[in-house]
Amino acid sequence: NAGVTQTPKFQVLKTGQSMTLQCAQDMNHEYMSWYRQDPGMGLRLIHYSVGAGITDQGEVPNGYNVSRSTTEDFPLRLLSAAPSQTSVYFCASGESGRGQPQHFGDGTRLSIL
Amino acid sequence: EDKVVQSPLSLVVHEGDTVTLNCSYEVTNFRSLLWYKQEKKAPTFLFMLTSSGIEKKSGRLSSILDKKELSSILNITATQTGDSAIYLCAKALDSWGKLQFGAGTQVVVTP
Repeated sequence: NAGVTQTPKFQVLKTGQSMTLQCAQDMNHEYMSWYRQDPGMGLRLIHYSVGAGITDQGEVPNGYNVSRSTTEDFPLRLLSAAPSQTSVYFCASGESGRGQPQHFGDGTRLSIL
Repeated sequence: EDKVVQSPLSLVVHEGDTVTLNCSYEVTNFRSLLWYKQEKKAPTFLFMLTSSGIEKKSGRLSSILDKKELSSILNITATQTGDSAIYLCAKALDSWGKLQFGAGTQVVVTP
């Protein structure tokens, strides 16, 4: 049982480049979300999804896009990377509508030069 | 501003000490209060609190919610070096799982 799997684990980009952070879960969870974690700021919600085909913005959505074509996958796209997007990104999933705790992936450490 | 505030931001204790971590929140959109432990990688779930005054325990860790004071505490007794981690408090904003996190408390337990 893999849980929540994020790839890649590390990535270095140049300013202006684009890339996609992958997230997959095998628990059949309807709810999935993306957070970024910066020093001294805890985790902040970027985007979330309550099911396939449904996404919405969180606290810090600018510069990021998401889509949810399947229950299992929830990729996060950086359209034009900026140094301010240097962070550790976590994907999470949980059972919807039951207030269950979120299960987190191991994170992607992203550096933008 | 709607936010979750944790204190202290960091502390260093010796093995065997008891640690008390604090979390305060604003009442807007409150559904539940969660505690996570984060070592090197993913935050791992510790407790979810929805009712005031009911303590939840797991081994040496315990937590309680005070809805009147809009706060929660996490206690760790007889600390061990394996308790060294960042402890995160989060407010659930809806029943789906949308979370608002505090900045975390870094706990270092020295031998």
